[in-house]
Amino acid sequence: GAGVSQSPSNKVTEKGKDVELRCDPISGHTALYWYRQSLGQGLEFLIYFQGNSAPDKSGLPSDRFSAERTGGSVSTLTIQRTQQEDSAVYLCASSYDSAGANVLTFGAGSRLTVL
Amino acid sequence: LAKTTQPISMDSYEGQEVNITCSHNNIATNDYITWYQQFPSQGPRFIIQGYKTKVTNEVASLFIPADRKSSTLSLPRVSLSDTAVYYCLVGPYYNQGGKLIFGQGTELSVKP
Repeated sequence: GAGVSQSPSNKVTEKGKDVELRCDPISGHTALYWYRQSLGQGLEFLIYFQGNSAPDKSGLPSDRFSAERTGGSVSTLTIQRTQQEDSAVYLCASSYDSAGANVLTFGAGSRLTVL
Repeated sequence: LAKTTQPISMDSYEGQEVNITCSHNNIATNDYITWYQQFPSQGPRFIIQGYKTKVTNEVASLFIPADRKSSTLSLPRVSLSDTAVYYCLVGPYYNQGGKLIFGQGTELSVKP
């Protein structure tokens, strides 16, 4: 696609429910990143994929968070048993390859509100 | 990974030149310096990238001294629409480990 697409753009859920956030990167981009941005805060790194592999999952805040990427394209970030502190904007970014890694194209984000 | 430090906020007026400095004292030899701009309710947008000396594009200039321990993003003649948060990112050109850690960002407010 022309840009990084994220869905849903907004999600309101109740505490304890599971949510899935989807990221569709730019076609041909092999590297994919997830970040979390709480209100008024900076970007918190969550996870990085090169192809379908995630070399480092240590950025995930807890074991309630998981992410996968299939076919080297779409990625899903899953949050189980959501808590109010999970409320934030979840941003996805992609880059062409591991080369030029600092040049990321971000999506508009998925805003998650946990009641 | 190089840790970055930026001012939390800056104020400016329309038509002025704005310089935002990022400190990255432990930058590695293979690290590049990249700046992003973020408007409210949007994802960050790439502005400029450099390795050393000076880089200029249609949007901004990036000045990097010889020791590379800091960098300065220069925005010429800012307008109200340049009000945004600006992030400095330092990381390797080839991403081997995965983590790309952004600094806390500088909130630039441009006033009429």
